[in-house]
Amino acid sequence: EAQVTQNPRYLITVTGKKLTVTCSQNMNHEYMSWYRQDPGLGLRQIYYSMNVEVTDKGDVPEGYKVSRKEKRNFPLILESPSPNQTSLYFCASSLRGTVTYEQYFGPGTRLTVT
Amino acid sequence: AQSVTQPDIHITVSEGASLELRCNYSYGATPYLFWYVQSPGQGLQLLLKYFSGDTLVQGIKGFEAEFKRSQSSFNLRKPSVHWSDAAEYFCAVGLRSSGDKLTFGTGTRLAVRP
Repeated sequence: EAQVTQNPRYLITVTGKKLTVTCSQNMNHEYMSWYRQDPGLGLRQIYYSMNVEVTDKGDVPEGYKVSRKEKRNFPLILESPSPNQTSLYFCASSLRGTVTYEQYFGPGTRLTVT
Repeated sequence: AQSVTQPDIHITVSEGASLELRCNYSYGATPYLFWYVQSPGQGLQLLLKYFSGDTLVQGIKGFEAEFKRSQSSFNLRKPSVHWSDAAEYFCAVGLRSSGDKLTFGTGTRLAVRP
């Protein structure tokens, strides 16, 4: 089954404790992206990757890191989480880009930073 | 600045009633237009998209949307709502020239009254 998986689905952590949210897709997609969803703000892109070893900032990259060492994986790293990073996070992938090709979304990771 | 607006935060309709969700955009050119649905606890799923051609587009789950250039709108419609349509709906717009990036609206949460 074609899918995007994220782990963990739920995470509660404390300020400053490094964490990684994993994302993996099995569709051989070149493009992968991370979004955060906040009430009243919709989805905002954090980082995206056009292909292996190619990453770029989205609209709200501060406080986040990503890497793309393999085509299928695109982890999101919070090196020193803060309460304002409490949010619902989605990973997405598409064949190439987001406008011409359909994006497939993971189920989301709900992160709480206390 | 480029923007997309969903003026309705919450909408409640009775099961079997018709539905229209509004989406307006502000772009220098006609963008590519999308509607996504987010069911509770799920990631986003593409309902339909408009690139060019016929301004009335059909999507999955019985949804349709009409592009109106003169009103800069792309409203989503369904003639008869089912209880399973209760979800959050996001309009998204993008331009190939803007780096193939999607901008999401803030979402409309739909409740269905039995």
